[in-house]
This record gives sequence, C-alpha cells and structure tokens, in this order.
Amino acid sequence: AQSVTQPDIHITVSEGASLELRCNYSYGATPYLFWYVQSPGQGLQLLLKYFSGDTLVQGIKGFEAEFKRSQSSFNLRKPSVHWSDAAEYFCAVALKTSYDKVIFGPGTSLSVIP
Amino acid sequence: DGGITQSPKYLFRKEGQNVTLSCEQNLNHDAMYWYRQDPGQGLRLIYYSQIVNDFQKGDIAEGYSVSREKKESFPLTVTSAQKNPTAFYLCASSIGGAGGRPQETQYFGPGTRLLVL
Repeated sequence: AQSVTQPDIHITVSEGASLELRCNYSYGATPYLFWYVQSPGQGLQLLLKYFSGDTLVQGIKGFEAEFKRSQSSFNLRKPSVHWSDAAEYFCAVALKTSYDKVIFGPGTSLSVIP
Repeated sequence: DGGITQSPKYLFRKEGQNVTLSCEQNLNHDAMYWYRQDPGQGLRLIYYSQIVNDFQKGDIAEGYSVSREKKESFPLTVTSAQKNPTAFYLCASSIGGAGGRPQETQYFGPGTRLLVL
C-alpha cells in the first residue's frame, strides 16, 4: 500500500548534538517530497522540499535533507540542534500524477535537553 | 502582512450542533485545504478547493461540509453527523490554479482546536 512512514514517534537529543529524522515512502514513482515543522499549538511551516536535481536539499533554520532513491528515503538532518528546534516534524509527499493532494506522515516529536 | 487566519482559536460544540470554522487568506491563492490533526496520526485531508465555487472531498470528508464562494474564504462546517469531532483543524492554501505549478508550497494557518462539551 502507498504510504509515508516516519519510524520514530519521539526523539530526544541534547542541545548541540546532531539530529537525523527518518522518512520513508512507498510509491511506484518518486514523488515530490517535503519536510514541515509544527510548534505546539501552531500551524505548519515548510522547512524544505525536493522536486528534482541535487539530492541534498538545504532548507531554513539550518536543516537539510537527502533524497535516496534506492532507499525510498528523505531524511532530515541538522548538525547542531538548538533548544528552539523542539517541535513536531512532518514528512510529506505529493504524487506527480495527482498534485492536488499532499500526504503527510504521522510525525516525529523532537525534545531537546538543555 | 499576507497570510492565513483561522478563527476562533478554540471552539466548543454541543451534542447535535453544527459549528463553522473560519479560514481566510490574503495571499491571492487559488487553492485552499482543510486538514484534521489527531495525536499520532499526522494530518488528514478533509476537503480541498482548487478554484472558487469548486471543491473536492479528501480522505475523511464524512460529517463535514465546505463552501468556496470567495477566493479568500474557505469555511468548514462540522456537522452533527461527525461523531468524533474533537481535533485540531488546520487550513492551508497554495498558489494553485492556472498560475501555479504542481506541488506548490502549502501555507498553513494557526489552527482551530475543536472540543465537545
């Protein structure tokens, strides 16, 4: 079945440590890929997106993500986490054949220890 | 400032009551969306509209209704038929239409939390 998975429901890291959030998708063709962040009680903000080209994508707030076709993955990374990065992170996909809809993963909650 | 506004921030619904959530955008976007967010389930699409006077059901449209009479506005009504309405509701918009490309960035409002009395 077609799906977007984020294997980690919750992650805790220390401030200054590196971060990697995982995202895998299961679709016949490579979809468009997104990462969004949501602060508590707020809407979502786009961090970065991948449509084509360079598989390493730079986003806002020091985040980057790497698309790996062979692994159907689009993992989000940050070299040094700040306390303000504590939030919910959503991976999302949009199919090239059905651009009306964006499909969101279940989210990963990030806690940061000072 | 351009953006999306949702009101109210919190909404209480009594048994058997219909309630309407407001979503307004001044980004001149053609496309608008409504999502429902429950803990641990991410976002699920309720309805979306690519152009004025037209809208389509998403994955969980039962118990909800929408209208798109104006480009700027896309209100969502939670009807009495929706038996489990307690959730966080998010509205979003994107360029869409003839001027947009597929997979344009969606911009989100701050959300409305609906609670049942």
